[in-house]
Amino acid sequence: GENVEQHPSTLSVQEGDSAVIKCTYSDSASNYFPWYKQELGKGPQLIIDIRSNVGEKKDQRIAVTLNKTAKHFSLHITETQPEDSAVYFCAASIEQGAQKLVFGQGTRLTINP
Amino acid sequence: DAMVIQNPRYQVTQFGKPVTLSCSQTLNHNVMYWYQQKSSQAPKLLFHYYDKDFNNEADTPDNFQSRRPNTSFCFLDIRSPGLGDAAMYLCATSRDRDYEQYFGPGTRLTVT
Repeated sequence: GENVEQHPSTLSVQEGDSAVIKCTYSDSASNYFPWYKQELGKGPQLIIDIRSNVGEKKDQRIAVTLNKTAKHFSLHITETQPEDSAVYFCAASIEQGAQKLVFGQGTRLTINP
Repeated sequence: DAMVIQNPRYQVTQFGKPVTLSCSQTLNHNVMYWYQQKSSQAPKLLFHYYDKDFNNEADTPDNFQSRRPNTSFCFLDIRSPGLGDAAMYLCATSRDRDYEQYFGPGTRLTVT
């Protein structure tokens, strides 16, 4: 079955710097890749997603890139702010469309003021 | 305005005592999912409903069952909770098969 590896497990950056989180997936049939932000005691919040027919997508300070050949995708956060501190999960869909997600292990991002 | 609502937010149950967790949605989405998330781990899919069709994951224990009486509501029943079932239980919805999943705030289950 699908396996998603996420790195790093923890990341600490200075406020204003950029943060990059990387994921690899194993199933070449996966075609949907969302990123979720989870704050302590809350449910995951969808922050950006990308489908396999697109190489890059950007939304203000957040961007996601996808390399289908290498089977990896990355989350880029620029101009980081303290409120970006959270756990971030990548995921990949298996089967058709976004029906079932397999999550990476998560990255705990800390923004230092 | 909450769109995916989970009740209760915190639930304490005794070992072996059946417990039911509730999820409701105001989005009229066709698909509803239940995930289990243990401390410092990723969410793990237990099962999902596509409309009235129930889809169980192969490794979901028989102890976990679900009901979806209508489009808006979905329940997670744990027949005989064990200490290992203590976790955050997340409900998510999706408009249809090929759409984004939106999560509720979760119910944290403690088993004593």
